[in-house]
Amino acid sequence: EIVLTQSPGTLSLSPGERATLSCRASQSVSGSYLAWYQQKPGQAPRLLIYGASSRATGIPDRFSGSGSGTDFTLTISRLEPEDFAVYYCQQYGSSPYIFGQGTKLEIK
Amino acid sequence: EVQLVESGGGLVQPGGSLRLSCVASGFTFSSYNMNWVRQAPGKGLEWVSYISSSSGTIYYADSVKGRFTISRDNAKNSLYLQMNSLRAEDTAVYYCARGYSGYGYWGQGTLVTVSS
Repeated sequence: EIVLTQSPGTLSLSPGERATLSCRASQSVSGSYLAWYQQKPGQAPRLLIYGASSRATGIPDRFSGSGSGTDFTLTISRLEPEDFAVYYCQQYGSSPYIFGQGTKLEIK
Repeated sequence: EVQLVESGGGLVQPGGSLRLSCVASGFTFSSYNMNWVRQAPGKGLEWVSYISSSSGTIYYADSVKGRFTISRDNAKNSLYLQMNSLRAEDTAVYYCARGYSGYGYWGQGTLVTVSS
């Protein structure tokens, strides 16, 4: 079973800054089948990135994903006020389709 | 417009059973793989189960294997989760989610509380 470890647990930044979130897998994620989600309080998660680097429909281009194998990154180039939320990675290359524990992006 | 609407949550005693439903609209339900994902209060997301479009492939998280059963009725555009032998740690909001390559659509969730 693949374990996903996200870091940092909490990231404190200001609007306009660049955010870099990490997701490390305990073994290689086949086919780079890795997704990123954003979740705000009281809402369902929102798909941002799939296939490690493909933006989902309607996602602004300030969000980008990269990586392969065991190391993946979500980058938000310039933070907008609405970007402060919790972010999760998920692998769907092999069952179980585990989520990481999340990174909380908070306003500094 | 794609919609996923869950129902069936509620308060149940430990050891009890519940059946969750998710009714889909706005897309060809029979063409899509579906999932259940849960989130305990104040905690992160936990994938629970996956079912392929034809029901030919089914997977479960170890935490629910042998207790939960996923199923679907493509004629009724509906996804189900039969939950037996419920435990306190099953308390969570349960979401149905569409897809395989990332879950692009989610329902609003239904709360299951397991408590005596």
